[in-house]
Amino acid sequence: DVKVTQSSRYLVKRTGEKVFLECVQDMDHENMFWYRQDPGLGLRLIYFSYDVKMKEKGDIPEGYSVSREKKERFSLILESASTNQTSMYLCASSFGLAGGPSGELFFGEGSRLTVL
Amino acid sequence: GEDVEQSLFLSVREGDSSVINCTYTDSSSTYLYWYKQEPGAGLQLLTYIFSNMDMKQDQRLTVLLNKKDKHLSLRIADTQTGDSAIYFCAESMSGGATNKLIFGTGTLLAVQP
Repeated sequence: DVKVTQSSRYLVKRTGEKVFLECVQDMDHENMFWYRQDPGLGLRLIYFSYDVKMKEKGDIPEGYSVSREKKERFSLILESASTNQTSMYLCASSFGLAGGPSGELFFGEGSRLTVL
Repeated sequence: GEDVEQSLFLSVREGDSSVINCTYTDSSSTYLYWYKQEPGAGLQLLTYIFSNMDMKQDQRLTVLLNKKDKHLSLRIADTQTGDSAIYFCAESMSGGATNKLIFGTGTLLAVQP
């Protein structure tokens, strides 16, 4: 079974802190994605990566950065956390061209971040 | 814009059929998806439909696609309490070197016993 593991299920941070959210997948997938999930807004794409050291901005990249030094690991970084970044963060991975039958997204269980 | 819209909430009785609707924006989307999110979990792919199809049936699930109106629906027959979850539709869009999925707002399905 494909496994996407997010390092922290729950985090509480203070405004201005630097936050790292880690995601690891064990199926050698090329593509990895970070979404945030908010009630009534669904999932919104923050950043994605289609190869090591490659990254693309999603729809809401402001206030976030990412790092993909190894194929299996994709990190989301909040340089200076703010209260409006309180949310559920979901990591996903896919093999091949995402958006085709072989491009099914596999999701982690999510990291719920609260910024005080 | 890239808005994929769904109604936020649907309540049905156990044994009834559920119909969850979605409107999407990109007429060039090749695949359209339904994902399910159970409480405390990530999303899992439920089913998908290729854009040249009008309908796809998979056991209790029926997906209908109206390309002219950019409307997608998911029908769950004989809905069970275990079907209670949030359902997301998603469309694929070109994102450069790979595609990206744009998700809808999600529909919370509550199944009453």
